[in-house]
Amino acid sequence: GAVVSQHPSRVICKSGTSVKIECRSLDFQATTMFWYRQFPKQSLMLMATSNEGSKATYEQGVEKDKFLINHASLTLSTLTVTSAHPEDSSFYICSARDLSGGQSDEQYFGPGTRLTVT
Amino acid sequence: KQEVTQIPAALSVPEGENLVLNCSFTDSAIYNLQWFRQDPGKGLTSLLLIQSSQREQTSGRLNASLDKSSGRSTLYIAASQPGDSATYLCAAPKGGFQKLVFGTGTRLLVSP
Repeated sequence: GAVVSQHPSRVICKSGTSVKIECRSLDFQATTMFWYRQFPKQSLMLMATSNEGSKATYEQGVEKDKFLINHASLTLSTLTVTSAHPEDSSFYICSARDLSGGQSDEQYFGPGTRLTVT
Repeated sequence: KQEVTQIPAALSVPEGENLVLNCSFTDSAIYNLQWFRQDPGKGLTSLLLIQSSQREQTSGRLNASLDKSSGRSTLYIAASQPGDSATYLCAAPKGGFQKLVFGTGTRLLVSP
């Protein structure tokens, strides 16, 4: 099956620093990847759609200058949390669509990255 | 605007019981609906994807149904096991078939 990886799985950083999270589709190409955020005991909320070769589109209320997204290749998207603050502490999960198979609408999710800002 | 709701929020059952998890969505113009499982502190595992043209999908002890007209989907788990303990999330697309809106989840505990 389609596999999506994320790196790192867990990161702790100081307030004011920037953190980069990678999302990779390991065995398929993904022109579109999605970034979600999940606060404790809450569901996933879509942050942005990452499009290979073009600018990401952000959901309402998500600051594009704070959450920088780069989708440089068909297998890699990165999310950079700039000038992180404690309120950015969350579980960040990416997903990707595998267009090569018949289930073209199915999204495969990465294992998530736990970000803690101190 | 798509809104997804799941009931119950939590469910505790003894091993061996059959159970039903409910998901409702407000925008019935969907291409598909997807059910996921999430273990504590982990990412999502896709369980079942139901296309809008289908009414049911089955995988092992899991069966998911979709009724677009009523805006409902159910996930049926047969002969539950302690290993089924997790949070179950349903997700429906909004504004097309890509962006997913997730429900609040049902936290399931199956006791031995």
